[in-house]
Amino acid sequence: GEEVAQTPKHLVRGEGQKAKLYCAPIKGHSYVFWYQQVLKNEFKFLISFQNENVFDETGMPKERFSAKCLPNSPCSLEIQATKLEDSAVYFCASSPGQGPTGELFFGEGSRLTVL
Amino acid sequence: SQQGEEDPQALSIQEGENATMNCSYKTSINNLQWYRQNSGRGLVHLILIRSNEREKHSGRLRVTLDTSKKSSSLLITASRAADTASYFCATDRSNDYKLSFGAGTTVTVRA
Repeated sequence: GEEVAQTPKHLVRGEGQKAKLYCAPIKGHSYVFWYQQVLKNEFKFLISFQNENVFDETGMPKERFSAKCLPNSPCSLEIQATKLEDSAVYFCASSPGQGPTGELFFGEGSRLTVL
Repeated sequence: SQQGEEDPQALSIQEGENATMNCSYKTSINNLQWYRQNSGRGLVHLILIRSNEREKHSGRLRVTLDTSKKSSSLLITASRAADTASYFCATDRSNDYKLSFGAGTTVTVRA
């Protein structure tokens, strides 16, 4: 499609539950990024993919967070055993194949609330 | 960690006035980009300026880059109510293939 599509828009989980977010990048874009935005401020980089391969995962809290981008499926970001501090808006972005640091096209975000 | 820091944190202006916000960063960069975020929405790309460029224009937007001072400015001329949003700068550094965002400047344009 012509837009980055993220689902669900809102997700509420009790502490300790699992949360899974999905992202369909723009067709033809090679790179996918996940960012976390807490309190409308800083965008924290989590992970990036080049096609289905992890490109940079230096921002991922690996003990509870995992992500995948499989062929012919939406990309996903999964949080096992959510904590209160995971409450945030999670943004997915994609970019065309000029490299991972060109213009990013963002989705509308998925708001995760952990109670 | 944050690479860019915007200044001011918040800005309130009258419609028709110009809005200027600044971004400072810490290490050498390849490119600097500016994005806009309307309330409750995703980021929208505004403009990209390369490290060897000093100024760039796009419609009512003017961006400058001073690599010696490690700073950039975004000027919005003749502001409109629809310019009300948060504005973020983002940088990418050599051998670090991701964008690092600042904390943003919230701009309110009063009618």
